[in-house]
Amino acid sequence: KAGVTQTPRYLIKTRGQQVTLSCSPISGHRSVSWYQQTPGQGLQFLFEYFSETQRNKGNFPGRFSGRQFSNSRSEMNVSTLELGDSALYLCASSLAGTGGYEQYFGPGTRLTVT
Amino acid sequence: AQTVTQSQPEMSVQEAETVTLSCTYDTSENNYYLFWYKQPPSRQMILVIRQEAYKQQNATENRFSVNFQKAAKSFSLKISDSQLGDTAMYFCACINSNSGYALNFGKGTSLLVTP
Repeated sequence: KAGVTQTPRYLIKTRGQQVTLSCSPISGHRSVSWYQQTPGQGLQFLFEYFSETQRNKGNFPGRFSGRQFSNSRSEMNVSTLELGDSALYLCASSLAGTGGYEQYFGPGTRLTVT
Repeated sequence: AQTVTQSQPEMSVQEAETVTLSCTYDTSENNYYLFWYKQPPSRQMILVIRQEAYKQQNATENRFSVNFQKAAKSFSLKISDSQLGDTAMYFCACINSNSGYALNFGKGTSLLVTP
């Protein structure tokens, strides 16, 4: 089975712009979660989607949003980028309770905001 | 709320030796799962081992094993016969259905395996 894929792998944006990141889960996984990883804050949960519905959201401002499509692929969007949004954004897929709680991660998207 | 604490920011071990990484957690739930993830310098997060809280038997995956002490809320990872490829950040994480399927991670332990 193919693993979790994320595109793009690297991104450089300017303050004030918006960005969209994409994630394709492992085939058969209907849950997709997003995490932000920074040296200072570590790994922080952004949100989780299951069958196109957001089930949970972390403590992030409304500038961070996401969605999931009927094929379980997910996108996250960050609007009005700030320097502090520079981070590695990780996507993870899971069977989420229907078969297990372990999450499998993609390689991440490295976002740099200048 | 769940918290996960890894008290060892950095560790070093020689090749072929055994090393133990510590993790403690705090949760009010009875049904939860614990994981160790490995993140090598290439940044791909890899699941190393999982433990269901309702299982008393400690999980083992090849050279990796855990010491799960439920009453003490402790979940340490033992790596036997360390290899150079084990050099990575190791994250301890906890999840339960009431946390909305969100993994709560510790700050990580940077493990360096030396020749």
